[in-house]
Amino acid sequence: NAGVTQTPKFQVLKTGQSMTLQCAQDMNHNSMYWYRQDPGMGLRLIYYSASEGTTDKGEVPNGYNVSRLNKREFSLRLESAAPSQTSVYFCASSMTSEQYFGPGTRLTVT
Amino acid sequence: DQQVKQNSPSLSVQEGRISILNCDYTNSMFDYFLWYKKYPAEGPTFLISISSIKDKNEDGRFTVFLNKSAKHLSLHIVPSQPGDSAVYFCAASLERGGADGLTFGKGTHLIIQP
Repeated sequence: NAGVTQTPKFQVLKTGQSMTLQCAQDMNHNSMYWYRQDPGMGLRLIYYSASEGTTDKGEVPNGYNVSRLNKREFSLRLESAAPSQTSVYFCASSMTSEQYFGPGTRLTVT
Repeated sequence: DQQVKQNSPSLSVQEGRISILNCDYTNSMFDYFLWYKKYPAEGPTFLISISSIKDKNEDGRFTVFLNKSAKHLSLHIVPSQPGDSAVYFCAASLERGGADGLTFGKGTHLIIQP
């Protein structure tokens, strides 16, 4: 039982490049989330998926797209990376209000 | 505008003493509150939560108090142990069991001194 897994752990992109962050959970949770954490800041919600087949914008969705591929997997895509998207990205899943987080992806955009 | 505020970026406490971490919120629609603990290079881990209909919830060394009229909650850790050194985030939800995502404070870095 791995919980929430994220790939990759680290990534460096050049401005304008695209990439997809992958997230999977094996807890049979209905809801999944993507957050970003910047230095000195709390986590901010980018997008979430309350159930398979639905996605909704969070607080900071601009520059991102998401796909809820199935109940287990929720991916986050940066179509044209910008330096302002340098951050640590956390995926989470939940059945109730308690969310369980993955280890994070540290992304640097130069 | 920040809806969940943790005004102390850091807190240093001696081992064995009580640690008290504070959190204030501005949105009166928040219905459920959670505390998360985070070590460097790891994801946050859930610690304890409280519903808005309660004023206290206890789990071992951890107790969360909620003062709804003051829009204030606090996390008490007693006795504090070296492994408690971490960043603690306060978070709030609009609905217990809801799937809308959490609103987080900026965190308080707790340092337990030997």
